[in-house]
Amino acid sequence: DIQLTQSPSSLSASVGGSVTITCQASQDIQNYINWYQQRPGKAPKLLIYDAFNLETGVPSRFSGGGAGTDFSLTITNLQPEDVATYYCQRYDSFFFSFGPGTRVDIK
Amino acid sequence: EVQLEQSGPEVKKPGESVKISCKGSADTFSTYWIAWVRQMPGKGLEWMGVIFPPDSDTRYSPSFQGQVTMSSDRATNTAYLQWNSLEASDTAMYYCARGGTYFDHWGRGTLVTVSS
Repeated sequence: DIQLTQSPSSLSASVGGSVTITCQASQDIQNYINWYQQRPGKAPKLLIYDAFNLETGVPSRFSGGGAGTDFSLTITNLQPEDVATYYCQRYDSFFFSFGPGTRVDIK
Repeated sequence: EVQLEQSGPEVKKPGESVKISCKGSADTFSTYWIAWVRQMPGKGLEWMGVIFPPDSDTRYSPSFQGQVTMSSDRATNTAYLQWNSLEASDTAMYYCARGGTYFDHWGRGTLVTVSS
């Protein structure tokens, strides 16, 4: 079974700053990684699909990258509404799994 | 706008059964898979499985195989998640989501509380 790890587990940054979250897969998953944002008390929201494609309506300050086993989500110009937990998710032949999540707070 | 409407909160006793629902549009239910995702209190997201309503093809996470049953009704564009005998550890928020290789629309979640 392919495992996903995320780092860090939590971070804090200033408004206007940049943060990068990494997601590592235990095996090559090509580009089949997606990123979700879950604000407190809300349902998850798709941000990035297939490693680097920005979902419609998502601000361009969110970007994804990587391939194979190592992936990243970067948020530039951090805003108060970006306070949330961010999850990576892998896909493989209609089987999915999520990473453990990274909590992002504002300093 | 794509919407997935989930049924209301449930409070059950251990050993009881429950069936929660997720209603969408005809387009969603003729084209997309419907996934179910669990979130236990204060914890992360767990993929439970997916169902393809046009032919009811269902894939379960090994962690949930045999523990829950997913089904769908094309006539009402509704997907269901059911338990025959709940345990306290089933207490969680359950989300449905639309997708293929990623989940682009989510319901607001159904809170299931199991307590004696």
